Amino acid sequence: GAGVSQSPSNKVTEKGKDVELRCDPISGHTALYWYRQSLGQGLEFLIYFQGNSAPDKSGLPSDRFSAERTGGSVSTLTIQRTQQEDSAVYLCASSLASSWGREQYFGPGTRLTVT
Amino acid sequence: SQQGEEDPQALSIQEGENATMNCSYKTSINNLQWYRQNSGRGLVHLILIRSNEREKHSGRLRVTLDTSKKSSSLLITASRAADTASYFCATLSTGANSKLTFGKGITLSVRP
Repeated sequence: GAGVSQSPSNKVTEKGKDVELRCDPISGHTALYWYRQSLGQGLEFLIYFQGNSAPDKSGLPSDRFSAERTGGSVSTLTIQRTQQEDSAVYLCASSLASSWGREQYFGPGTRLTVT
Repeated sequence: SQQGEEDPQALSIQEGENATMNCSYKTSINNLQWYRQNSGRGLVHLILIRSNEREKHSGRLRVTLDTSKKSSSLLITASRAADTASYFCATLSTGANSKLTFGKGITLSVRP
């Protein structure tokens, strides 16, 4: 079946502009996660959605970052007034169960470059 | 600070050899997972081992977990060029509101 998809695959933007990154999780997966991966680094947790519960936003690095998940499916990560330090690969993952203990299925990521 | 730290940071071996990668962590865990990431791609889940398990196998993969030493190892036997990738361990700590925490990864190069 179809895996997790993300769009765009690459995004180059000027400092100060807003960007929107999209994630389509695997159908039926109730949990959705956003991570950020900087060059040579591990994954940094950003935000977690589980069903209709309030999202866990504890990983968002600043109030310029926000995310929503409509209808329990597609999610959009928005970065306002982008800065050069926002340049990274943004990865989305989904999983079947609400528990963090289950395996996560990752999308290919969006490479964001802020110039 | 990183919960999971992999060792070595980079590993280069000849095709057919075995590759051993290690992960150490700091706090008590519910489970530990290994993921692979090919260049420019997302992560792919390889194997999950629970805190009450000591060893698991999946094809050419063997994972061990030593909770007393807070460490895990991933062994890839009879490596292939296609195994070239970055490998990450991820730990789920015990306690409420714990999240899966990823290490920085190990870069494995398998020379044909």
